[in-house]
Amino acid sequence: DAMVIQNPRYQVTQFGKPVTLSCSQTLNHNVMYWYQQKSSQAPKLLFHYYDKDFNNEADTPDNFQSRRPNTSFCFLDIRSPGLGDAAMYLCATSKGGLAGYNEQFFGPGTRLTVL
Amino acid sequence: QKEVEQNSGPLSVPEGAIASLNCTYSDRGSQSFFWYRQYSGKSPELIMSIYSNGDKEDGRFTAQLNKASQYVSLLIRDSQPSDSATYLCAVRGGTSYGKLTFGQGTILTVHP
Repeated sequence: DAMVIQNPRYQVTQFGKPVTLSCSQTLNHNVMYWYQQKSSQAPKLLFHYYDKDFNNEADTPDNFQSRRPNTSFCFLDIRSPGLGDAAMYLCATSKGGLAGYNEQFFGPGTRLTVL
Repeated sequence: QKEVEQNSGPLSVPEGAIASLNCTYSDRGSQSFFWYRQYSGKSPELIMSIYSNGDKEDGRFTAQLNKASQYVSLLIRDSQPSDSATYLCAVRGGTSYGKLTFGQGTILTVHP
């Protein structure tokens, strides 16, 4: 089945220790998104890629970076995690096109704990 | 004013009843509307999308859209305990091309 896969599902890191979260997809979607979701809050968009074009949200801290080496994979790098970065990180994909970005499908998420 | 606002909940309904979830949005140019279901500790799952005024039915779920009133709703018929989750309304388009704006979610509990 076509799907969005995130690894790891659970990540524990130390304050200030860089961490990388990965996302892969078999849907062949050209748009990939990274969201941060904290408890009882709505998902917050950090950035997205339309093909190779990177689109950062204005309020995304510089501490968060992303890479998309090919259509299938996208990475979220947190350079110096703080306690406030503990959250669920969600990857989503959608099929872009002339009609605009369409339905977004989420991966299972990575739960990040910062000690 | 919040861009996407949902009835705050939590909403509790008995098994077999109709659950009604409501959402209003502020951007009149919004084009697409989605309902996601999110179980505790899990990721959002797309359950309905609607693009034009009127009703769209899929099994026990019906989405209703009224662009003039800037209102979208989700009805769940014959509610089951397995429907207990947080329901997120998401809106795309208008001034934020391609980007989804989420409401804060409504927690639904279906009790036996």
